[in-house]
Amino acid sequence: EVQLLESGGGLVQPGGSLRLSCVASGFTFSSYALSWVRQSPGKGLEWVSAIGASTTRTNYADSVKGRFTISRDNSMNTLHLQMNSLRGEDTAVYYCAKHPTHVPSAYFDFWGQGTLVTVSS
Amino acid sequence: EIVLTQSPGTLSLSPGESATLSCRASQSVSSSYLAWYQHKPGQAPRLLISGTSSRATGIPDRFSGSGSGTDFTLTISRLEPEDFAVYYCQQYSALTWTFGQGTKVEIK
Repeated sequence: EVQLLESGGGLVQPGGSLRLSCVASGFTFSSYALSWVRQSPGKGLEWVSAIGASTTRTNYADSVKGRFTISRDNSMNTLHLQMNSLRGEDTAVYYCAKHPTHVPSAYFDFWGQGTLVTVSS
Repeated sequence: EIVLTQSPGTLSLSPGESATLSCRASQSVSSSYLAWYQHKPGQAPRLLISGTSSRATGIPDRFSGSGSGTDFTLTISRLEPEDFAVYYCQQYSALTWTFGQGTKVEIK
């Protein structure tokens, strides 16, 4: 059974940093691309960043480019999102999502339950 | 960026009825790149449909997807109690993924 378990969320002040993690199980982690998707309170889903299976290929939404960094440790089956210079509009539940291929592809076949990030003073 | 607009915002129906959810794109979307998800509060979103009309593994056949170009539809026939949730369409283009704002299917 595919499982994605996010952690690392919490309350942080504007301008601060936070590192999210997503531990995966139930599939060959190193063979699949992954993404982070977020949902702000009362709003819809927004794709944040993607990374290929081999880690060399990364993509970011314009809203986070230059502030967030996606990475993965295939030896630990873990995906990370380093978030710097956080803003109020980054407040959201952050989901880890798996692609069905080794490169980021059209859709997400499995998701985690999310971790809440609150940016507030 | 391709914007997806879902309608209606909320659908109030009774178990056993059918639901028709619409997703309209601001420009043409490849049929291969349109997906639908179900999301319940506190749970992980679940893939229902990929490639406009292909049901994901384990998804019952009361869920069906159709459409092309800029207009796509998710149909849920014979609503079951567990089907009441928020549904999102999603498209992929040029290494960018965007979602509609969601349609809530609630119990009438």
